[in-house]
Amino acid sequence: AQSVTQPDIHITVSEGASLELRCNYSYGATPYLFWYVQSPGQGLQLLLKYFSGDTLVQGIKGFEAEFKRSQSSFNLRKPSVHWSDAAEYFCAVGLYNQGGKLIFGQGTELSVKP
Amino acid sequence: EAEVAQSPRYKITEKSQAVAFWCDPISGHATLYWYRQILGQGPELLVQFQDESVVDDSQLPKDRFSAERLKGVDSTLKIQPAELGDSAMYLCASSGGEFYLNTEAFFGQGTRLTVV
Repeated sequence: AQSVTQPDIHITVSEGASLELRCNYSYGATPYLFWYVQSPGQGLQLLLKYFSGDTLVQGIKGFEAEFKRSQSSFNLRKPSVHWSDAAEYFCAVGLYNQGGKLIFGQGTELSVKP
Repeated sequence: EAEVAQSPRYKITEKSQAVAFWCDPISGHATLYWYRQILGQGPELLVQFQDESVVDDSQLPKDRFSAERLKGVDSTLKIQPAELGDSAMYLCASSGGEFYLNTEAFFGQGTRLTVV
């Protein structure tokens, strides 16, 4: 069965420090992969997506992610975190053979300390 | 910028009562999704529409939940009767094309339901 694992439930980083959020997936075919961000009480905003091609993808707000097929991973990175990046981050697999249904990880909550 | 509209933003209801949520997708988007997000978890798909047809409702608790998209535009999700375990964020999303054409889903702000 398809699944997404985000091993870190909560991460705290200092403002200006680099960030890496981990995501591992289980899917029997080439996945479509997404990272979404959610502020408290809000909906989900797409940060970036991978469908094919270059395995390093750039997104909004200075985020990037790298698809590594051999490790079944799609980790999210940012070189310098801002206080406004504090939020919940969700990795998701899109099932293209099921009409685009998304399977989400349980999320990683990011706290930023001054 | 086009957005997915949801109402209400917040709803408090007593258990055993009926409750309904409304979603208006981005204009022209044929695919509409309803997801449920329990606090501390990622969203899970409840139902997916392609135009007015249901294409996936395998995770919808059909004894109490119903969803419709009569004209293939806006959609309503209903719970009757509500139970304490239904307290969650209900998210609507829409996408504009065939998934294999590299489209993504756009989410609304959600409806936060509290059942007391």
